[in-house]
Amino acid sequence: KAGVTQTPRYLIKTRGQQVTLSCSPISGHRSVSWYQQTPGQGLQFLFEYFSETQRNKGNFPGRFSGRQFSNSRSEMNVSTLELGDSALYLCASSLSPTSSIPNEQFFGPGTRLTVL
Amino acid sequence: GQNIDQPTEMTATEGAIVQINCTYQTSGFNGLFWYQQHAGEAPTFLSYNVLDGLEEKGRFSSFLSRSKGYSYLLLKELQMKDSASYLCAVSPPNSGYALNFGKGTSLLVTP
Repeated sequence: KAGVTQTPRYLIKTRGQQVTLSCSPISGHRSVSWYQQTPGQGLQFLFEYFSETQRNKGNFPGRFSGRQFSNSRSEMNVSTLELGDSALYLCASSLSPTSSIPNEQFFGPGTRLTVL
Repeated sequence: GQNIDQPTEMTATEGAIVQINCTYQTSGFNGLFWYQQHAGEAPTFLSYNVLDGLEEKGRFSSFLSRSKGYSYLLLKELQMKDSASYLCAVSPPNSGYALNFGKGTSLLVTP
């Protein structure tokens, strides 16, 4: 069974630009969560989508947004990029019907975003 | 909210035992996770505790005390490949499948 995939793996942008990151969850998983990871703050929750609806949102500005499609694939968008947005963006999927721990998160390899 | 504290760094010797502590302050609780993350890689699931007590899984064990807001991850017979960051995460109530993570403990295993 394929794991969580994220594209692109690496991205370089300049301040003020916008970026879209993509995540494909494990087949059968309906929940997709996004996290930002930086050396200083660790892993911080951005938002979670379930059946195309945003179910939870972390404490990030409105420049960060996302969506989920009917096939559970998800995208996140960051507009008006700032230097501080440089980070590893991790996507995780969960809710396998066969799992004994439904909220166990399976992480993708991440997208490394550098803002210059 | 959920303030999660764990030591920033630890060092241990190959073959030894190490305990990584995690404390949390929570207004509610729906389970505690431990993840391992090697440099440049994605976090991978290690353990899950929802009830008090010890969960053992091979060389790794995790303990939870909900009344004390305390957990630890115990790694036995340390190997060089155990050098990684260990992340404690709490599942808050009514938050779907979102997890709140601590900043992680970087473990260095030396020969």
